[in-house]
Amino acid sequence: DAGVTQSPTHLIKTRGQQVTLRCSPKSGHDTVSWYQQALGQGPQFIFQYYEEEERQRGNFPDRFSGHQFPNYSSELNVNALLLGDSALYLCASSFSPAEYLTGELFFGEGSRLTVL
Amino acid sequence: SQQGEEDPQALSIQEGENATMNCSYKTSINNLQWYRQNSGRGLVHLILIRSNEREKHSGRLRVTLDTSKKSSSLLITASRAADTASYFCATKSWAGSYQLTFGKGTKLSVIP
Repeated sequence: DAGVTQSPTHLIKTRGQQVTLRCSPKSGHDTVSWYQQALGQGPQFIFQYYEEEERQRGNFPDRFSGHQFPNYSSELNVNALLLGDSALYLCASSFSPAEYLTGELFFGEGSRLTVL
Repeated sequence: SQQGEEDPQALSIQEGENATMNCSYKTSINNLQWYRQNSGRGLVHLILIRSNEREKHSGRLRVTLDTSKKSSSLLITASRAADTASYFCATKSWAGSYQLTFGKGTKLSVIP
């Protein structure tokens, strides 16, 4: 049973560019959340997607956008990259009814973005 | 913003000793969870404790929750070198929220 998979694992971009990160949830999961983890910090919630819509959003600017596809996979897009966007981007999946009760998440290994 | 603050920031112990990490949070919660992260990789869920629970066990893990003090502790007994990792507490503020708010973590080193 495949867990949460993310791609790419590492990437380097320059300021002003745009990036797309991809996530496939664990089998049986229908919800995808994205978190940003800066070096030495805990993960910070970007947003969550359920039924192909953004269900909840954290304190991130509109440069951060996402999408969920009918097969529950998801993309995170970041436009006009800043140096401060350098971080590990984590995707987490869950099964919505269970998550409503507990909030337990299953994380992928992350995509490490470096902005030069 | 970070809801939780773990204490200590770093902890180094010998294999076989117990490790205790603490977490304090600011607002009322629905539940509190602990996650482990190895070397900047993905997080792994360890244990969840609900706001109406005071203590929970899972294998070598023991979690306590004191809602009056807005604090939690994670105890790892008989530590192993493989327990070396960063440990994060995360809070779910209310039942209808889908956001987990993480602390900055405790970096645990277990020396063989």
